[in-house]
Amino acid sequence: SAVISQKPSRDICQRGTSLTIQCQVDSQVTMMFWYRQQPGQSLTLIATANQGSEATYESGFVIDKFPISRPNLTFSTLTVSNMSPEDSSIYLCSVEPDRVNTEAFFGQGTRLTVV
Amino acid sequence: DAKTTQPNSMESNEEEPVHLPCNHSTISGTDYIHWYRQLPSQGPEYVIHGLTSNVNNRMASLAIAEDRKSSTLILHRATLRDAAVYYCILRDRRGGGSNYKLTFGKGTLLTVNP
Repeated sequence: SAVISQKPSRDICQRGTSLTIQCQVDSQVTMMFWYRQQPGQSLTLIATANQGSEATYESGFVIDKFPISRPNLTFSTLTVSNMSPEDSSIYLCSVEPDRVNTEAFFGQGTRLTVV
Repeated sequence: DAKTTQPNSMESNEEEPVHLPCNHSTISGTDYIHWYRQLPSQGPEYVIHGLTSNVNNRMASLAIAEDRKSSTLILHRATLRDAAVYYCILRDRRGGGSNYKLTFGKGTLLTVNP
């Protein structure tokens, strides 16, 4: 299993500013994922962050808007840059153990409101 | 990506069994069937997964059709705590390709009545 701690749990930010979300895992994992869940919607994958390589972004998401760091096997950050009200969402970190088709573990999420 | 179809919502009474259906007619031979659920204000949590045979764990059972084009998640005795959105997801067992990622659909919102 894996226990994920996300910080902050929630924040209210001014438009035009940036917020960095931290994801700490209690064990070493190769694969980490960042998701966005817009109000009333399902989860959408933003990017896959593997240690030692550049993050891989999904269609519709770009590095300039959502830069990701992955300095080691237990930690990652996602920055939401130059925020607008449309970025108001829940952002979730997820990890998977290093075996194919095992369960994924999710953080509690960061509820971001941009005003 | 292989797609799944689930009812938007279902309702159940407490302590009764719940059968949550999922159709995946385009499933490939290398796809596992995964189920996750998301309780209110929480991140998703893993429920169960299987390939061909029915599977049981402490949370639920997964019944997979013989042709694998559909599956059913079974909660044997629903509790109020089981009220959540349930997601049925196909994943490529080879660990690569576009189906390896968890792609969440809209899921089924399960309401449990006391």
